[in-house]
Amino acid sequence: GEDVEQSLFLSVREGDSSVINCTYTDSSSTYLYWYKQEPGAGLQLLTYIFSNMDMKQDQRLTVLLNKKDKHLSLRIADTQTGDSAIYFCAETAPLYNFNKFYFGSGTKLNVKP
Amino acid sequence: GAGVSQSPSNKVTEKGKDVELRCDPISGHTALYWYRQSLGQGLEFLIYFQGNSAPDKSGLPSDRFSAERTGGSVSTLTIQRTQQEDSAVYLCASSLTCRERVSCEQYFGPGTRLTVT
Repeated sequence: GEDVEQSLFLSVREGDSSVINCTYTDSSSTYLYWYKQEPGAGLQLLTYIFSNMDMKQDQRLTVLLNKKDKHLSLRIADTQTGDSAIYFCAETAPLYNFNKFYFGSGTKLNVKP
Repeated sequence: GAGVSQSPSNKVTEKGKDVELRCDPISGHTALYWYRQSLGQGLEFLIYFQGNSAPDKSGLPSDRFSAERTGGSVSTLTIQRTQQEDSAVYLCASSLTCRERVSCEQYFGPGTRLTVT
């Protein structure tokens, strides 16, 4: 299967920016996704980016995609304590199997007041 | 509208017993996925169903695991002869049919926390 990797932990202070990184192996990926999981809940889609884009901004969230390095990042501006959660990146499988998703192990973001 | 629901929310069972976990996807969603999330781990793909096609079972960890999707809607994940290593949160998700050049959002249920004692 595909390999999607993330660092396990990130700790920031309230008001700072958070940057969560992800690397993937499949160069033919079409869409890459960021999901958020709050304690005791399922995953919720935050944002996604199509592979022909370099950047996507949505309010406090900025997604950067470096296709050459197969590197995806999620930047959260003005991080709040409510942003504390686990963040997963995911990609769809290669051509002809767009229904199969591969998730990273998740990055646990801790926001200190 | 209603989201993806799962039942039970928590299940404690003795080693060796069989368990059934249920998932009700969003109405109209053709794709349904099961994942397992062990403590401190990421999501492990188990199985997915797409319409009337044969399910992709490539992620099932052993033959003790099976899943059905009746009538293209509700799905049941069955674990036979449970082992302690089966303890995890089992997440279900559903989506519309994913196509090329169209983003595909998975909607997740809250999960079933399974504890095998």
